[in-house]
Formats: sequence, C-alpha cells, structure tokens
Amino acid sequence: NAGVTQTPKFQVLKTGQSMTLQCAQDMNHEYMSWYRQDPGMGLRLIHYSVGAGITDQGEVPNGYNVSRSTTEDFPLRLLSAAPSQTSVYFCASNIDRGGFTEAFFGQGTRLTVV
Amino acid sequence: DAKTTQPNSMESNEEEPVHLPCNHSTISGTDYIHWYRQLPSQGPEYVIHGLTSNVNNRMASLAIAEDRKSSTLILHRATLRDAAVYYCILKGKPGKLIFGQGTTLQVKP
Repeated sequence: NAGVTQTPKFQVLKTGQSMTLQCAQDMNHEYMSWYRQDPGMGLRLIHYSVGAGITDQGEVPNGYNVSRSTTEDFPLRLLSAAPSQTSVYFCASNIDRGGFTEAFFGQGTRLTVV
Repeated sequence: DAKTTQPNSMESNEEEPVHLPCNHSTISGTDYIHWYRQLPSQGPEYVIHGLTSNVNNRMASLAIAEDRKSSTLILHRATLRDAAVYYCILKGKPGKLIFGQGTTLQVKP
C-alpha cells in the first residue's frame, strides 16, 4: 500500500497564480486533513473532511479551497497565491476508533510563492 | 478543542530515559490523549494514545495522571533517531487533530 501520496513534492509559484496540491490515500479512511507548517512552527489545520462530499474549516482556512468528491482524493486549491502561503503542506488520512484518532501523513509539499 | 501545554525543548543523553511532560487541565472526560512525533523533514507519525490508564507499546510508554490533567510520554532508552518534535494532542471532533507547538527533543551522543 502507498498510504498517503502527495504531489508535487516541490513547487514554486508566482504571486497571484493558482494551483492544486493533490492528495490521495489508499486506506479507505473516512477522514482526511490538510495542514501547513511554517519554518520552526507546529502544524496548523487548514481544512478537513469527514467523508466524501463533506468538508469543514480548520484553524487557517483563508485563501484555500477544498472538495472531496471521492473517499480517496482530497485536493487543496490555492486560488491566488501569496508569499504568506509559502510553507510545507501536509495531507493526512485519519482513522477514528471510538475517540482515538490515528493519522497517517504524506511526505509533504514544499511550496514557495515569490 | 481542549488545549495542551508542553515545554518548547528538552535535551537527553543517548540511551537514557526521557520523560516528556504535557499539561491538559481543560481535558474532558471523553478526550483521548494522543502523542505524535515528527522526525526532521518528515510528516508526523503516531506514537501512542491513552484515556485513563497507563499504556505501553513498542515505541514508548504513556503515563496519565489520576486527575487526567497531565500526562508524560516516556522513551525508555533514547537513541539518536528519537530526536524529533513530540506533540501532545487532545482530539476534538472526529477526525480533527489540532497540533500545538510541541517539544523539540535533542538527543546527545
């Protein structure tokens, strides 16, 4: 099993450009999440999904859109990139077992906005 | 979501035990305590979880205070590969994990 796969691994964007970060999981997990991690900081939750067709905002949702049309995929869209969105982005797939959550993370996408 | 408080950094010598503390004074009765760690240049990985009783697994032990307002992650013999950021997390809604700043553990040879 591949687990959680993120593409691309690295990306440079110009201010104002749009792009989609891809995330796919093959574990049939109900929950998926997107985080960003700025240098020297912890992870901050952007958006998360509790199932196909259902998404919710996390701590820092502004500037990002998500949708979840299938269980496997959870893309993150940047509509108009800004330098403040330079960060490492992690996608996670979670399994909830009666109050306990085990999350599996991708390797991350390092995004630079110039 | 209930919050946790951890020291910013800790140091340990290789092959010595490490006790990483976490305070969670606003924990509710049904909140599980989760610990994750993030190795350099990687995404976080699950370490251990618990509700009321102390827990052991192959990676670590989790000691939970009787009043559940604090917990301690115990690495019995730290190795250089254990150098990482360790996060103590209380889960809110299903599938929603909020990470704090975590504790950066440095292991000295």
